[in-house]
Amino acid sequence: DGGITQSPKYLFRKEGQNVTLSCEQNLNHDAMYWYRQDPGQGLRLIYYSQIVNDFQKGDIAEGYSVSREKKESFPLTVTSAQKNPTAFYLCASSLYPGTGEIELGTEAFFGQGTRLTVV
Amino acid sequence: AQSVSQHNHHVILSEAASLELGCNYSYGGTVNLFWYVQYPGQHLQLLLKYFSGDPLVKGIKGFEAEFIKSKFSFNLRKPSVQWSDTAEYFCAVNSRRDSGAGSYQLTFGKGTKLSVIP
Repeated sequence: DGGITQSPKYLFRKEGQNVTLSCEQNLNHDAMYWYRQDPGQGLRLIYYSQIVNDFQKGDIAEGYSVSREKKESFPLTVTSAQKNPTAFYLCASSLYPGTGEIELGTEAFFGQGTRLTVV
Repeated sequence: AQSVSQHNHHVILSEAASLELGCNYSYGGTVNLFWYVQYPGQHLQLLLKYFSGDPLVKGIKGFEAEFIKSKFSFNLRKPSVQWSDTAEYFCAVNSRRDSGAGSYQLTFGKGTKLSVIP
């Protein structure tokens, strides 16, 4: 089955440690995204990548880093610089609509999420 | 920057009541519009989407939404809700980012929790 796999489902981190969240997709999508979900705040974009070896900061990128070495994979590292890392993290992917006006379907598919808790 | 506003944080309805959840966005150019639903303990799922054409779109489970371009709105409706519709609903807009051609951003609203009382 095609889809997006995030691992682990639950993650605990000690203060001061970096931790990496995994996101893999087999949908052959070009674009991948990381969102953070907090109660009452909806989904806020951390980073996104539209092609391999390229990524852009979203609205709340501080304290996070990403890489996109393969089309299928978009890992997110939560660094010790992130002041409030406890949250639910969602990875998504979509077709990249290209450089013209949005005409192609750009529906995003989401993974099951990773709940990160700093202890 | 693009923004998406959902008017209600928490809506409580009895079964069989009608539902309308408001969504407004700020971007003036071409947009794709979505409603996603997150049932308790589950991942986000697409409810319906609008890309072009008929502004009244129908989705799964009896939901529909109407795109009103002049009002920058994409409100979600259902004539008669069921207890199983209890979930959090997110409106999302895909639009061109302020910087860079060909650069797109999928922006979400803060979500509306729907509680349906049997």
